[in-house]
Amino acid sequence: QLVLTQSPSASASLGASVKLTCTLRSGHSDYAIAWHQLHTAKGPRFLMKVNSDGSHSKGDGIPDRFSGSSSGTERYLIISRLQPEDEADYYCQTWGVGIVVVFGRGTKLTVL
Amino acid sequence: QVQLVESGGGVVQPGRSLRLSCAASGFTFRSYAMHWVRQAPGKGLEWVAVISNDGSNKHQADSVKGRFTISRDNSKKTVYLQMNRLRAEDTALYYCARTDDDYWYFDLWGRGILVTVSA
Repeated sequence: QLVLTQSPSASASLGASVKLTCTLRSGHSDYAIAWHQLHTAKGPRFLMKVNSDGSHSKGDGIPDRFSGSSSGTERYLIISRLQPEDEADYYCQTWGVGIVVVFGRGTKLTVL
Repeated sequence: QVQLVESGGGVVQPGRSLRLSCAASGFTFRSYAMHWVRQAPGKGLEWVAVISNDGSNKHQADSVKGRFTISRDNSKKTVYLQMNRLRAEDTALYYCARTDDDYWYFDLWGRGILVTVSA
């Protein structure tokens, strides 16, 4: 079964860096995932797609402060030089033939 | 401007119907699969349905199968979600989103439209 696991919350100080993790269930280490940012009262925003080899492709206009990487079944979203506007919910997402679309439960990021 | 704009939401009684629309602009609509995703109050994102770029293939989540139907009109650059036999648990913000027709990673989202199912 295709499942994505995320920690419910994370926090980091203004100007610092944070690494959010999305874990694929064992047996799905070759899957890519996408990261999305969701602000209250705004629509979701596609940040990037992260492949199993760690390469990533970002959406239009996504700042260089946002990057992605991979290790085994883990996919990461790294945000550097945290800004107040980075405080949001972050969701990972993937899909599979016959499984359709799967989301993680989201990580609420607090910028201290 | 590349965007998706949802409309048609509102308050509806349980058991009634509602149709959502999502108008696309700024890109070649007929080249993309289109999806509906929802977020219930205090909950995470839940995928609802997808339609292929030419409308020939459709899939729905088990939670809406038999009640919700997705369709599209490429001449109008619009995707629809017909929601029948609505339940209180269908109350959510509904987003439309696009993906490549072959690889379903969302790369463009609408701002969402609220549907409230309440007596």
